[in-house]
Amino acid sequence: DSGVTQTPKHLITATGQRVTLRCSPRSGDLSVYWYQQSLDQGLQFLIQYYNGEERAKGNILERFSAQQFPDLHSELNLSSLELGDSALYFCASSVGATEAYEQYFGPGTRLTVT
Amino acid sequence: KNEVEQSPQNLTAQEGEFITINCSYSVGISALHWLQQHPGGGIVSLFMLSSGKKKHGRLIATINIQEKHSSLHITASHPRDSAVYICAGRIQGAQKLVFGQGTRLTINP
Repeated sequence: DSGVTQTPKHLITATGQRVTLRCSPRSGDLSVYWYQQSLDQGLQFLIQYYNGEERAKGNILERFSAQQFPDLHSELNLSSLELGDSALYFCASSVGATEAYEQYFGPGTRLTVT
Repeated sequence: KNEVEQSPQNLTAQEGEFITINCSYSVGISALHWLQQHPGGGIVSLFMLSSGKKKHGRLIATINIQEKHSSLHITASHPRDSAVYICAGRIQGAQKLVFGQGTRLTINP
């Protein structure tokens, strides 16, 4: 158990819908990273927050957005969903702001768009 | 071409064999991570290294920054080592990881 929690575990929704994925980092960790893992693209970095502020952006679509709240939990919002958004979404947390710190991964949320 | 390439893509071996998974990268990186993903999907960080060698139990990771190459070795492999192993490079000057496609390892009893 990494100490990182993600909800929900599974999510099935229809194209065009909007969903919110939630991540609670390990106690004491200030950074939250979001990753997408699809069958054809592998793991891809989406976005990072550190202590409430956006720190780095990767291959995140404009239809996706994220935020980190004062209690350090983070939410990833996916809107106007398409079939290609079906993937495993992982969050990870680390104590520091940079990639120099080890990241601890949550169990993931499996999103299926039908 | 991916910035981070792993080989082999798939590896099947017998219990007890010595396993090597390779990771090469074409960009400047300041550190490299090795991750393990079990069939259930969960990801565990195995190593983070920027030079030399690290060992944890039966797992050994090495990196040669100049040659842009890292290896993950498993000694006395066991069926419970069956998983997908992923390397990821931390791009110099950027706050992000770039991932290899993963190596699916199957250890047969």
